[in-house]
Amino acid sequence: EDKVVQSPLSLVVHEGDTVTLNCSYEVTNFRSLLWYKQEKKAPTFLFMLTSSGIEKKSGRLSSILDKKELFSILNITATQTGDSAVYLCAVPSSRLTFGEGTQLTVNP
Amino acid sequence: NAGVTQTPKFQVLKTGQSMTLQCAQDMNHEYMSWYRQDPGMGLRLIHYSVGAGITDQGEVPNGYNVSRSTTEDFPLRLLSAAPSQTSVYFCASNQRPYYGYTFGSGTRLTVV
Repeated sequence: EDKVVQSPLSLVVHEGDTVTLNCSYEVTNFRSLLWYKQEKKAPTFLFMLTSSGIEKKSGRLSSILDKKELFSILNITATQTGDSAVYLCAVPSSRLTFGEGTQLTVNP
Repeated sequence: NAGVTQTPKFQVLKTGQSMTLQCAQDMNHEYMSWYRQDPGMGLRLIHYSVGAGITDQGEVPNGYNVSRSTTEDFPLRLLSAAPSQTSVYFCASNQRPYYGYTFGSGTRLTVV
């Protein structure tokens, strides 16, 4: 059975801090890993990672995949209060297997 | 392009009542899924479908039924609502596996 584990489950930081969110996975027939951001509504898509060692970047957010060690990280630099959300990692096939998510709180 | 549309947005049911949560997508996506999200927990898969006429169970299927008579629609039926089914329900669709899913805006269900 596919399994996705995220850590930490909860993180509180101050504006301007840099954070690293972790996602490890055990899946059969791995093809890609997805990151989503969820505020008080439906998850919104951030990144899709398929190849090891290639960083995906969008503004202050970046993510990288290590297929050998079976994990991915999501980095957020210079955090802002608007980054407060749950960040979800998921592995797709015919359905999505989600991790529990990391609740990030950025305080002013 | 409407994307994935869920109705209703909010619903209160009494224990034992039945109802159907609607999900429709206009992107001609083959793959559709239903998730529930409880406070402090991630999304858990209820049922999913890989095409019209094909459905399968996810992690937490008990108490729910689905059908997929058309590509566009994937309704979720609660047979006899229980307080444990109080949750936020999300429908998602995808054209190809291994790629990003599009989520509906969710249905907040309370069973009293």
